[in-house]
Amino acid sequence: DSGVTQTPKHLITATGQRVTLRCSPRSGDLSVYWYQQSLDQGLQFLIQYYNGEERAKGNILERFSAQQFPDLHSELNLSSLELGDSALYFCASSTHSGGSYNEQFFGPGTRLTVL
Amino acid sequence: DAKTTQPNSMESNEEEPVHLPCNHSTISGTDYIHWYRQLPSQGPEYVIHGLTSNVNNRMASLAIAEDRKSSTLILHRATLRDAAVYYCILKKSSGDKLTFGTGTRLAVRP
Repeated sequence: DSGVTQTPKHLITATGQRVTLRCSPRSGDLSVYWYQQSLDQGLQFLIQYYNGEERAKGNILERFSAQQFPDLHSELNLSSLELGDSALYFCASSTHSGGSYNEQFFGPGTRLTVL
Repeated sequence: DAKTTQPNSMESNEEEPVHLPCNHSTISGTDYIHWYRQLPSQGPEYVIHGLTSNVNNRMASLAIAEDRKSSTLILHRATLRDAAVYYCILKKSSGDKLTFGTGTRLAVRP
């Protein structure tokens, strides 16, 4: 158990819909990351937040957005869903940002299925 | 981002050492070599990292070539629980983004 929790575990929805994935980082961790894992693209970094502020952006679509709240939990919002958005979405957290060693602890993931 | 190259798959016998290679010929001086692994149906987990010198921890050892163009993750005694996809990642100290490649799928035979 990494200490990172993600809800829900599974989500099934239809094309065009909007969903929200939630992540609670390990106690004390200030950085939160979102990754997407699909069969064709592998594991891809989407976005990082550090203490409420966006720190880095990866291959995140404009239809996707995220935020980190004052209590440090984070939400990833996916809208206008397409079949290709079906994937495992992982949240990770780390104590700080930058440095040679900043181990990321990954949650169990949310499996999103778009029908 | 500098690229890493790993074999798609490897097999090992239980309780024998495993050497997982990674090539990173375009590595820059500020890139750290990180290894993560992903057990079946789980999120990735950190294994080890290094810059120039060989590193040991409770999970594994990391051997880094003198020119830093390649590295090897060493599991000293493979167990069935070590069956996973192992990712070799180059990460700059100025950032946190992990760029995962296709990794090496390790199978461990009892």
